[in-house]
Amino acid sequence: QVQLQESGPGLVKPSQTLSLTCTVSGGSISSNNYYWSWIRQPAGKGLEWIGRIYTSGSTNYNPSLKSRVTISIDTSKNQFSLKLSSVTAADTAVYYCARAAYGGQNYYYYYMDVWGKGTTVTVSS
Amino acid sequence: SYELTQPPSVSVSPGQTASITCSGDKLGDKYACWYQQKPGQSPVLVIYQDTNRPSGIPERFSGSNSGNTATLTISGTQAMDEADYYCQAWDSSTVVFGGGTKLTVL
Repeated sequence: QVQLQESGPGLVKPSQTLSLTCTVSGGSISSNNYYWSWIRQPAGKGLEWIGRIYTSGSTNYNPSLKSRVTISIDTSKNQFSLKLSSVTAADTAVYYCARAAYGGQNYYYYYMDVWGKGTTVTVSS
Repeated sequence: SYELTQPPSVSVSPGQTASITCSGDKLGDKYACWYQQKPGQSPVLVIYQDTNRPSGIPERFSGSNSGNTATLTISGTQAMDEADYYCQAWDSSTVVFGGGTKLTVL
């Protein structure tokens, strides 16, 4: 059974770069059947998709965050990572990593079927 | 950018049927999925590709999608179903979430 676990600093100073890693266990991150995503959720608010990466390294990002986001993958460690630069208090949130199934012929489907427990990141000096 | 609209809240009595809607332009031409999130927990996928239930999700959860609206239906709602529910679709190479609906069972 695949499990995902986020890790990284819980406190980041304004203007610095937030860095998180998601470790995948119970399955290979190199599978052709899945993408790997980052999602965040400010306290009391809804879900916001940050971006995704494929085993090949191909990425897609939320346009609203694209200029500050980098997602990378390390297949040797079965991990993928998130970097968010120039953070402000508005980036304070619970950050989740997730596995996503995709495909379809007429219509494209994309849904996240396995989620990590989430990690809280606070941006404060 | 594409938007999905959900009602902020829905109330239902135990044992009754709850319907949560998700509206978006020509949403029926896309696949919708639904997540359940209880306080302090990660989201859980309850419906994917409009109508499919993942393994382990009770049969009382069902979904539909046509026109501009996707609907999550919970039949025989139980107290344990009280949670936030989010719809999600894919558009222009991005994931789009609805704003979420708080389901209250009272």
